[in-house]
Amino acid sequence: QVHLVQSGAEMRKPGASVKLSCKASGYTFLGYNMHWVRQAPGQGPEWMGWINLNSGGTKYAQKFEGRVTMTTDTSINTVYMELKSLKSDDTAVYFCAREGSGDYDSSFDYWGQGTLVAVSS
Amino acid sequence: ESVLTQSPGTLSLSPGDTATLSCRASQSVNTNYFAWYQQKPGQAPRLLIYGVSSRATGIPDRFSGSGSGTDFTLTIRRLEPEDFAVYYCQRYSGSVWTFGQGTKVEN
Repeated sequence: QVHLVQSGAEMRKPGASVKLSCKASGYTFLGYNMHWVRQAPGQGPEWMGWINLNSGGTKYAQKFEGRVTMTTDTSINTVYMELKSLKSDDTAVYFCAREGSGDYDSSFDYWGQGTLVAVSS
Repeated sequence: ESVLTQSPGTLSLSPGDTATLSCRASQSVNTNYFAWYQQKPGQAPRLLIYGVSSRATGIPDRFSGSGSGTDFTLTIRRLEPEDFAVYYCQRYSGSVWTFGQGTKVEN
């Protein structure tokens, strides 16, 4: 059974950084790309970027270029997302989401439970 | 940048009704790369429909997707109490994924 388990809630001050983790189990980790999606309170999901777990290659949404870094530790089936220079409007729930393969390509078939990041002075 | 506009913002219905949700794209969509998700409070989105009209594993057949080009529809027949939630459309194009702002189906 596929599981994506994310790290716990974080509180940061403006200007700080946060690094979140997402541990995968129940499937061949290297066989799928992993994405990060965030959702501000009362808003729709917002795609942040993805990482190719085989190559480590990344693609970030233009909005986050220069502030976000996605990495992976394949020895423990874990993906990380670091966001720097935090602002109050970065307050959101952050999800990791697995991109499906084959016919499911480009859709997100499994999601983590989400991590709340609160940014406040 | 491609934008997805969902309508209506809120749909007020009763169990047993049919819900028709719309999603309009500002640019034409490759039909292989369009999906719908359901989200309940405090939960992650759940994939319902991929490739415009294919149901994800375990999704009941009262959920159906249709459309092409720039106009897409999610239809939920015979609404069950557990179907009252927020629904999002999503597309992929040019290495960018985009979500709509959501339609809330309320009782």
